[in-house]
Amino acid sequence: GEDVEQSLFLSVREGDSSVINCTYTDSSSTYLYWYKQEPGAGLQLLTYIFSNMDMKQDQRLTVLLNKKDKHLSLRIADTQTGDSAIYFCAGILMDSSYKLIFGSGTRLLVRP
Amino acid sequence: DTEVTQTPKHLVMGMTNKKSLKCEQHMGHRAMYWYKQKAKKPPELMFVYSYEKLSINESVPSRFSPECPNSSLLNLHLHALQPEDSALYLCASSQPGGRYEQFFGPGTRLTVL
Repeated sequence: GEDVEQSLFLSVREGDSSVINCTYTDSSSTYLYWYKQEPGAGLQLLTYIFSNMDMKQDQRLTVLLNKKDKHLSLRIADTQTGDSAIYFCAGILMDSSYKLIFGSGTRLLVRP
Repeated sequence: DTEVTQTPKHLVMGMTNKKSLKCEQHMGHRAMYWYKQKAKKPPELMFVYSYEKLSINESVPSRFSPECPNSSLLNLHLHALQPEDSALYLCASSQPGGRYEQFFGPGTRLTVL
């Protein structure tokens, strides 16, 4: 089945760029997503990328997809303290279940 | 309106209690989900309803009983829970087809004593 891996922790200084990485095993996911979860809150859908795209930019967020290496990344430009949260990548299983398969999550800490 | 609402926000219950969690969406989505999330872990899928019918049960113990009264509402009935069931319970909805993106509610923090 699908397996999605992320690094556990990233610490950056305010104003720097953050890059959160994700690798996955099943290349059949049509869509890949990035979710943000602040403490005690639900998951907020940040952005998605379609599998036939290499890059997608949305304001401060840039998603890069390398299908050959099965690698997905989320770059946050000009990182702010409000960006401190856990970030999950997720892929959709393209069988009859359409289940989301989540990575383990990366905790981003933004230092003032 | 891209909001999924959940009530209550917090719930404390004993192992002999019966309680229910509620979820509502008004986005016209026809798929709704229950997830369980333990601290520092990703959400784990419990149940999926598609067009008001249960389509996936991820081998969840029968002390959790889902219900989908209509296309906007999703309930999770709880009975005889164990302390290890304490977690954040998240509801999500999506529109089958399209980008399959799931929108999550804020969750119910459940503590079982």
